[in-house]
Amino acid sequence: GENVEQHPSTLSVQEGDSAVIKCTYSDSASNYFPWYKQELGKRPQLIIDIRSNVGEKKDQRIAVTLNKTAKHFSLHITETKPEDSAVYFCAASRAGGYSTLTFGKGTMLLVSP
Amino acid sequence: GAVVSQHPSWVICKSGTSVKIECRSLDFQATTMFWYRQFPKQSLMLMATSNEGSKATYEQGVEKDKFLINHASLTLSTLTVTSAHPEDSSFYICSAVSDNYGYTFGSGTRLTVV
Repeated sequence: GENVEQHPSTLSVQEGDSAVIKCTYSDSASNYFPWYKQELGKRPQLIIDIRSNVGEKKDQRIAVTLNKTAKHFSLHITETKPEDSAVYFCAASRAGGYSTLTFGKGTMLLVSP
Repeated sequence: GAVVSQHPSWVICKSGTSVKIECRSLDFQATTMFWYRQFPKQSLMLMATSNEGSKATYEQGVEKDKFLINHASLTLSTLTVTSAHPEDSSFYICSAVSDNYGYTFGSGTRLTVV
């Protein structure tokens, strides 16, 4: 089955700095890679996703890059704000039928004012 | 957008009792429902996958007789934790899947067994 590794487990940055979270996956058939933000006791919220036919996607301060050859993808948050503080999860699945999402272990991001 | 209503949001029960958690898709039909469990400071771990009208598929290590899943309609799936014990205390969350909306998560249920 799919295995998703996520690093780092914790990340502390100063407000305004950039934050980068990296994930690798094992299943070469995976083609859908979402990123979720989860606040304590809340449901995961989709913040951005990317499919395997695209190498990069950007939405305002958030961007995701995908390297299918190396089987890794990264989340980039620029101009971080304290409200970005949360746990971020990457995930991978075979889309088109929506098979199981396999999650990484999560990264706790702390943005200090 | 798509909404999955999950109830209850939190529940406290005594050891040995059973608890039922409901997930209902509003205004869309969920062909598949995933059930996850999340322990504090850990990731979401898939417990089982259910499809409307068929038996759920359980992940390795998840007891199907303890965690009963019913997906009787395209808008409702339930998870019943039977004979709950303190080690079952966790955050349980469902995720409905549809062609139009992809993955939609419920709001989660915090189960505490005392």
